[in-house]
This record gives sequence, C-alpha cells and structure tokens, in this order.
Amino acid sequence: DTEVTQTPKHLVMGMTNKKSLKCEQHMGHRAMYWYKQKAKKPPELMFVYSYEKLSINESVPSRFSPECPNSSLLNLHLHALQPEDSALYLCASSHAGGEETQYFGPGTRLLVL
Amino acid sequence: GENVEQHPSTLSVQEGDSAVIKCTYSDSASNYFPWYKQELGKGPQLIIDIRSNVGEKKDQRIAVTLNKTAKHFSLHITETQPEDSAVYFCAASMTTNAGKSTFGDGTTLTVKP
Repeated sequence: DTEVTQTPKHLVMGMTNKKSLKCEQHMGHRAMYWYKQKAKKPPELMFVYSYEKLSINESVPSRFSPECPNSSLLNLHLHALQPEDSALYLCASSHAGGEETQYFGPGTRLLVL
Repeated sequence: GENVEQHPSTLSVQEGDSAVIKCTYSDSASNYFPWYKQELGKGPQLIIDIRSNVGEKKDQRIAVTLNKTAKHFSLHITETQPEDSAVYFCAASMTTNAGKSTFGDGTTLTVKP
C-alpha cells in the first residue's frame, strides 16, 4: 500500500471557524509533512514530523496547528484563518527525512470566506 | 539556503516528440533529486529520482541526467503521449536537512494529439 489519504477533499470555512485536516498512511513511514500549494506554484513546506515529533516549522502562523497522534496519522488544526490561506493543502510521508522519496496525498482544497 | 531554478515554465510538444525540462540548483551539498508529475486536481506523484552518486537513470520513456559539476539535472520524456500532459516539478534535498526539499517553480507540459 503506497497510498497517502487525506480528508476532507474540499473544505469551505469562515474566518471564525475551527476545522481540522486529516492525513493517514500505512507504509510504515516515520516522517510526515504538511505543504501548502497555491495555484500554479510549487508546494511550500509548512511542517515536518519525524518519529512523531515536530522537527521543522517553517515559520507558519499559529492559526495553523499540526498534530501527530501516532506514526500513521497527521492532523492540521485550523482556526481564525484568512482568505489568503485558501489553497491546496498536501500531506506527504517518507521513510526518513532528507533523500528519501516523499509520497503525496491528493490534498484538501480549502476555501476561506 | 538551496535555490532551484526550472525551465521552461511552459512546454508544448506534438505527440510522439521528446520533451526536456531542465533544473539548476545552488547548494553543492544537495544529493537527492526527485521529479514529480502533478495532474489537475491531484497531489504530486514521483515519476523518477536520482541520487548524487549516479549520472543517469532511465525508466521506460523517462530518463533523468545529473551533472554535479555544473549543478544541473534534466528530465527527458521520449515518445510523448497526451496523458503526459501535466505540471512537472523538480526538487533538490540533502540528507543533512531532513525532510526539506526545495522545489522548482514547475513546468506545464502540453502534448498535442
């Protein structure tokens, strides 16, 4: 199974809402990632978890809060987002950081009104 | 930090022709170079990768070459088909920078039937 799954596929939320994005993989990978991707742009790294510990935070605003409950699951909690946060949010996983192949999920398309 | 430049930004070819996309990187410590294909509405999917101890790698119609001295690597697609139409991203990472890949800006490839 080389699949990374993400839910929901689409999400519309107001600026005062609280929502969560979920990501799951069963490949035994110990590194998991959140990326943000705007239209016609490359993915931008937000967070990296390595062995369930946050190892990289790319100066992401605190309205985005990641969580890694176990080695298979990764969540991104959203609160008080801005319209400019509308984007495709991608989850990825790999065996370990660095030169290991990252497997991406299909993404959650988020619209903030 | 690492900087990856990718050219061209758009590429249109006739079915059956070859397509070449080129990337240059700035940090000589980078040692892993994946290529991703992203179709509309989907997450990026790895199509081929190369490590710094290898100069060339081929997988059926797709090949990647790496010139460490010049710090550039290229994707070659032969006998292009309409289903090759997508956005292609190159990336560079290093084992000492766990999980942190730097992406090129992407190339939109259109294969005309």
